[in-house]
This record gives sequence, structure tokens and C-alpha cells, in this order.
Amino acid sequence: GENVEQHPSTLSVQEGDSAVIKCTYSDSASNYFPWYKQELGKRPQLIIDIRSNVGEKKDQRIAVTLNKTAKHFSLHITETQPEDSAVYFCAARERSGGSYIPTFGRGTSLIVHP
Amino acid sequence: NAGVTQTPKFQVLKTGQSMTLQCAQDMNHEYMSWYRQDPGMGLRLIHYSVGAGITDQGEVPNGYNVSRSTTEDFPLRLLSAAPSQTSVYFCAPLGESAGEKLFFGSGTQLSVL
Repeated sequence: GENVEQHPSTLSVQEGDSAVIKCTYSDSASNYFPWYKQELGKRPQLIIDIRSNVGEKKDQRIAVTLNKTAKHFSLHITETQPEDSAVYFCAARERSGGSYIPTFGRGTSLIVHP
Repeated sequence: NAGVTQTPKFQVLKTGQSMTLQCAQDMNHEYMSWYRQDPGMGLRLIHYSVGAGITDQGEVPNGYNVSRSTTEDFPLRLLSAAPSQTSVYFCAPLGESAGEKLFFGSGTQLSVL
């Protein structure tokens, strides 16, 4: 099965700085890579995703890059704001028995200091 | 997200008690899953179902049972709760196509004393 490693586990930045979270995956068959943001006490919410036929995707201050050869993908947040403080999860999704099962990284706690 | 309803939101059990976490959806998703979330462990798949009458084990199935008698309902049963099952549980429809996005129910916070 798929194995997803996520680093760092904690990331502390000053407001306005950039933040980068990196994930690696093991199964070359994985073809979809979503990122989730989870605020305290709430459910994880999808913030951006990328498919394996795309190298980069941007949505305002958030971008995701994918390197299929190296099997890693990254989340980039520019001009961080205190409201970006949350736990971020990456996932890799592969097809298994007719369904698409995502495997999640262990999460990165991002702290943005005002 | 409003199409997946989880109940209860909070639950406290004593070791050895049994209970069922409910997951109901009205979006006609064939594929459904249960995840548990623990600090530092991310989200781990417990069980999933690809249709009524069909279920399969995920990464951490021990101590849990599921059934799928209808497409709408996918309950998760704890037969004899243990403190190690203290966690937050999320029900989520699984994608039926490569680009389908995964979203989570509102979650159930379970404490086993």
C-alpha cells in the first residue's frame, strides 16, 4: 500500500514569511494529491489539490508542486497570516479495488506569529 | 459537506461498553469510509465500503465493525470499547473517480475511560 511521509511536523513562521510543507509518497500509481487544512476542533477542509499530470497549481497565496519522478509534492503558502495557523495534511490517493483510497501524512502544525 | 451527517458529536464511554457511531448521507455516494484521527498520527483508515453489502478493512480495523445495509447509512460499531479507541472519528465518502474530491463529515469525538 501507499506510504506518505510529511515534514516538518511543526513549522513556526513570522507573519508575512513563506511556509513550505513537504510530502513524499511511495506508490508510483498514486495519481491525486490533495492538501487539507484543519483548524482546532474542526474537520479537515480541502484547500488545494493536484493531479499527477500537472506539475504545479496555484490558488492565490497557496501553491502545490509535484515531482512525480522523485515522488514528492509540496505545499507553499506565501505572505502568511495568523489565520493560516492550523494543522495541514497531505494525502496521496491510489486506486484500490475500484475505489480511490487516500493515505494521509501525519500532519504539520503551522504557527504564524503576528 | 452538508450531505454527510455524523452522530453523536461527542461521546464518553467506559471501557468495555459498546456503541455505534452513525454516518448518514443523502448524496448517493457508493463509496464510504471511516477514519480515525489521533495527535501526531494523521488520519488513518478504519474500514470502507464500495457499495451496499460490501465492506473492507483499512489500516486500523481491529476493534471495529461496519455494515452497509443501505447506501445511505454506514455505521461504525465498537463492540467493547478500549482507552486506545479514544480518538476523533470522521466519516467520509470516497472518490469514485480520479478527480473526485474527498470531504469529511463533522466528526465524532470519543473518549473511552
